[in-house]
Amino acid sequence: QKEVEQNSGPLSVPEGAIASLNCTYSDRGSQSFFWYRQYSGKSPELIMFIYSNGDKEDGRFTAQLNKASQYVSLLIRDSQPSDSATYLCAVNENKFYFGSGTKLNVKP
Amino acid sequence: GAGVSQSPSNKVTEKGKDVELRCDPISGHTALYWYRQSLGQGLEFLIYFQGNSAPDKSGLPSDRFSAERTGGSVSTLTIQRTQQEDSAVYLCASSSGQGRYNEQFFGPGTRLTVL
Repeated sequence: QKEVEQNSGPLSVPEGAIASLNCTYSDRGSQSFFWYRQYSGKSPELIMFIYSNGDKEDGRFTAQLNKASQYVSLLIRDSQPSDSATYLCAVNENKFYFGSGTKLNVKP
Repeated sequence: GAGVSQSPSNKVTEKGKDVELRCDPISGHTALYWYRQSLGQGLEFLIYFQGNSAPDKSGLPSDRFSAERTGGSVSTLTIQRTQQEDSAVYLCASSSGQGRYNEQFFGPGTRLTVL
């Protein structure tokens, strides 16, 4: 059984700070990783994916992958109150496996 | 093109009744997932369809739950003899293929309330 683990939070950060969201996965052979954002009462939306070790940047978002340590993280720079949501980590092993999500609160 | 659509958006039913939830995936997407999400909880995998392969039903919580996918496109999730614990948001998602590098796109969900 493949497992994807996330701290449920809530993670509270002040506006303008860097929010760091972490995810670990059980299958060392996993290759592709996805971050979804889910606002309260809405469905998840894809914000980033990463396949290679290292960092991948997209605007204020940076995904980091470390396959040796089996973790993937999402950094949100200059956090805004509108970033307050639950962030879901997922692994695609020819079938998607989701973590339970980390709730982020960005305080004005 | 259009995204994943689901209907109805809300469904209120009485305990013991059967309900059908519909999902229209993105055109051309061969993979289709159903999830359940109770209030404040994470995604609970229910069932996964990939092309013409036998569906992965490993997440269905009981034999009251079943799903079909006709013509490799539209899917219907059926819950028989609904119980109050079935109340949740039911999310459908589709993906363009079986490969590891295909992202998944979600529909808006159906909120089911069992009285």
